[in-house]
Amino acid sequence: AQKVTQAQTEISVVEKEDVTLDCVYETRDTTYYLFWYKQPPSGELVFLIRRNSFDEQNEISGRYSWNFQKSTSSFNFTITASQVVDSAVYFCALRDNFNKFYFGSGTKLNVKP
Amino acid sequence: NAGVTQTPKFQVLKTGQSMTLQCAQDMNHNSMYWYRQDPGMGLRLIYYSASEGTTDKGEVPNGYNVSRLNKREFSLRLESAAPSQTSVYFCASVHGVRSSTNEKLFFGSGTQLSVL
Repeated sequence: AQKVTQAQTEISVVEKEDVTLDCVYETRDTTYYLFWYKQPPSGELVFLIRRNSFDEQNEISGRYSWNFQKSTSSFNFTITASQVVDSAVYFCALRDNFNKFYFGSGTKLNVKP
Repeated sequence: NAGVTQTPKFQVLKTGQSMTLQCAQDMNHNSMYWYRQDPGMGLRLIYYSASEGTTDKGEVPNGYNVSRLNKREFSLRLESAAPSQTSVYFCASVHGVRSSTNEKLFFGSGTQLSVL
């Protein structure tokens, strides 16, 4: 069975601080895909990144960066110099070989001015 | 280009009532999904459809039925609503070609359902 764990329920930081959101997954599939989605207070779900299991390169996009480590089954997300607009719930997800997507329970990030 | 459209946006039911949540996508996607979102539980997969005429159970299918009417539409039915089904429901779709670098879930805006 597939499982995605986001142990951090809620994190509060002050603007300009760096913050890392943890994601640990379990799967027996050799090929799988990992995702991060953002859900701002307005409620919509916004795609952030997709990573396949064969690509362990870290990725940076502006203030966002992702660290994928197969050895520890982790796909962590770091926001550098956080801003109030980063306040949201962030979900990590895994897609398996059967094209089903499994989500973690989410981490609520509060960025205070 | 509307993407994924869900109706209704809000609904209040009494215990035992039935209703159908509608979902349609205009992106010619093959795969469609229904999720429910509850506080502290994240998004949990209710049902999944890989293509027209096929459906498969997800993590929490009990109390729900689905219909993949055609490639565009995937409906979720509550035959006898229970308070435990109070939740926010999201429909989503994806093209279904895993090797595509653009492969990602597109979500509807959600339906907030309260069962009293």
